[in-house]
Amino acid sequence: SAVISQKPSRDICQRGTSLTIQCQVDSQVTMMFWYRQQPGQSLTLIATANQGSEATYESGFVIDKFPISRPNLTFSTLTVSNMSPEDSSIYLCSVPGTANTGELFFGEGSRLTVL
Amino acid sequence: DAKTTQPNSMESNEEEPVHLPCNHSTISGTDYIHWYRQLPSQGPEYVIHGLTSNVNNRMASLAIAEDRKSSTLILHRATLRDAAVYYCILLHGSSNTGKLIFGQGTTLQVKP
Repeated sequence: SAVISQKPSRDICQRGTSLTIQCQVDSQVTMMFWYRQQPGQSLTLIATANQGSEATYESGFVIDKFPISRPNLTFSTLTVSNMSPEDSSIYLCSVPGTANTGELFFGEGSRLTVL
Repeated sequence: DAKTTQPNSMESNEEEPVHLPCNHSTISGTDYIHWYRQLPSQGPEYVIHGLTSNVNNRMASLAIAEDRKSSTLILHRATLRDAAVYYCILLHGSSNTGKLIFGQGTTLQVKP
């Protein structure tokens, strides 16, 4: 299993500002994934962050809005830029398990509220 | 990835078995059936997965229909801690692409 720590766990932000969420994993992983969970909704994949290359974004998500850094094999950041109330969500970091089973481990999420 | 259909909600009594159904009539031969659950205020956690045969682990059992068009997650003895949203997800192949397509899941309530 993997232990994933996210910071901040929650924050209240003002419209138009940006916030960077950090994800730290207790083991080295090639791929890290960022998901969003809007209020009352299910999870949606934002992007895949591979160390040493540009992040790959899913349809509907763009780098200018959600820039991602992946400086090493245990750490990643997701920035939510120029926030609006519609960005109020839980943002979750996840990593694959070591066995090639399709299993993902998730952090507890960062709950953002944009006023 | 093929779509799954689950009931929006289910109720169970504590210490009784729970059978959570999932329909996936368009499943392909290489789609694995994964189950995750999300406890309140937590990220999802992996429960179990299978391809064709029934599977058991310390958390649950997975019963897969012979035609693979449906499956059932079985919690043998529900506890209050099992109250969560349960997601049935099809994953093409066995590799960790990270692209889990979450539906709305089944919200399980466990009554004492």
